[in-house]
Amino acid sequence: EPEVTQTPSHQVTQMGQEVILRCVPISNHLYFYWYRQILGQKVEFLVSFYNNEISEKSEIFDDQFSVERPDGSNFTLKIRSTKLEDSAMYFCASSAPGQGDYGYTFGSGTRLTVV
Amino acid sequence: GENVEQHPSTLSVQEGDSAVIKCTYSDSASNYFPWYKQELGKRPQLIIDIRSNVGEKKDQRIAVTLNKTAKHFSLHITETQPEDSAVYFCAASQKSGGYNKLIFGAGTRLAVHP
Repeated sequence: EPEVTQTPSHQVTQMGQEVILRCVPISNHLYFYWYRQILGQKVEFLVSFYNNEISEKSEIFDDQFSVERPDGSNFTLKIRSTKLEDSAMYFCASSAPGQGDYGYTFGSGTRLTVV
Repeated sequence: GENVEQHPSTLSVQEGDSAVIKCTYSDSASNYFPWYKQELGKRPQLIIDIRSNVGEKKDQRIAVTLNKTAKHFSLHITETQPEDSAVYFCAASQKSGGYNKLIFGAGTRLAVHP
């Protein structure tokens, strides 16, 4: 079964540094998403991406965040200047173009620790 | 925007008992309601989902019910087993074509005691 893959699985970074989290969505999917889960809390929507542009973003997704699909396979989340409160698990997901596929699978996540 | 409330936050049952988790949503335009199970340190895994044109769906020991009028939906797990212990999240979305942004509830930590 196709999977969404994410790298790295764990990243430790100094406060103020830039990080890039990488995702490879399922190949025939057209919609891409990033979610965040602070330890012990719920999964929160960050941003969705379609046709090479952001289609929707949450209040969390401020100017320090950006997303990109640099080639035909990768989908990246960049945090420009990390803060302690950015420490969380970041999940990528993708969804299919048609009506038939409702559920989607999350990637295995990247645990970001800002120190 | 959509808001999803989930209760209870923790649930403790004896093995073999049933467990029920309830969620309410605020946006009547939401049309898709999945449930995810998350084990410690792992990704949320889709366990069952329901669309707004269906009132109930069952898959072995798991069932979901939806009341569109009241804007609430519930997860029912029967004959619980220790391996059902996890955090369960409900979610709601306004699925349109392939687009499917999920808004999650706060989660329920289920503990099944042998």
